[in-house]
Amino acid sequence: GAGVSQSPSNKVTEKGKDVELRCDPISGHTALYWYRQSLGQGLEFLIYFQGNSAPDKSGLPSDRFSAERTGGSVSTLTIQRTQQEDSAVYLCASSLGRGRGNQPQHFGDGTRLSIL
Amino acid sequence: DQQVKQNSPSLSVQEGRISILNCDYTNSMFDYFLWYKKYPAEGPTFLISISSIKDKNEDGRFTVFLNKSAKHLSLHIVPSQPGDSAVYFCAASADNNDMRFGAGTRLTVKP
Repeated sequence: GAGVSQSPSNKVTEKGKDVELRCDPISGHTALYWYRQSLGQGLEFLIYFQGNSAPDKSGLPSDRFSAERTGGSVSTLTIQRTQQEDSAVYLCASSLGRGRGNQPQHFGDGTRLSIL
Repeated sequence: DQQVKQNSPSLSVQEGRISILNCDYTNSMFDYFLWYKKYPAEGPTFLISISSIKDKNEDGRFTVFLNKSAKHLSLHIVPSQPGDSAVYFCAASADNNDMRFGAGTRLTVKP
């Protein structure tokens, strides 16, 4: 089925390198979210895109993190100068509708990022 | 500031019995609550939701109960099946605001 697709599924990189994580949302979903799940933790909100509105970046942990969503579809999460504490599973989700609150989000399988 | 708390990191239940997963929240503005299920190496999948205007929502073997005065919700699975073994996340949101997730509870259903 045409669910949320994330790539790569696994990424191992050295500390200090930049990484790019990609998310293809479900076609027609106007809302797109990035989350991070560190070991033993819940889902930590990172950033939210809704249509053509300015993204909500309030969850980004530092200025090394940025994200783009081109053409209202594909999104890329970029982490510059990676640190070991960036190691986590990065999850992307998309949903229908204008409001975030009452629309179930559909998640991709995540990218497991490991910083050596 | 953890607004959604799942205080039990794990739960083990015998097949056929009831599983009860609990979730507490602190933000009285939350008006929509969801449960997600997550298998290893997969993303969470939506399971069931409840609006704050209700106190119960049922879907097959899954029932979610909401106690607004106690700021508590629970997910009941009955009868539990081995395939239900997964991590269950509770989530809550206020209208047009971020959805907050709990840390998850790992359910193991033993045959």
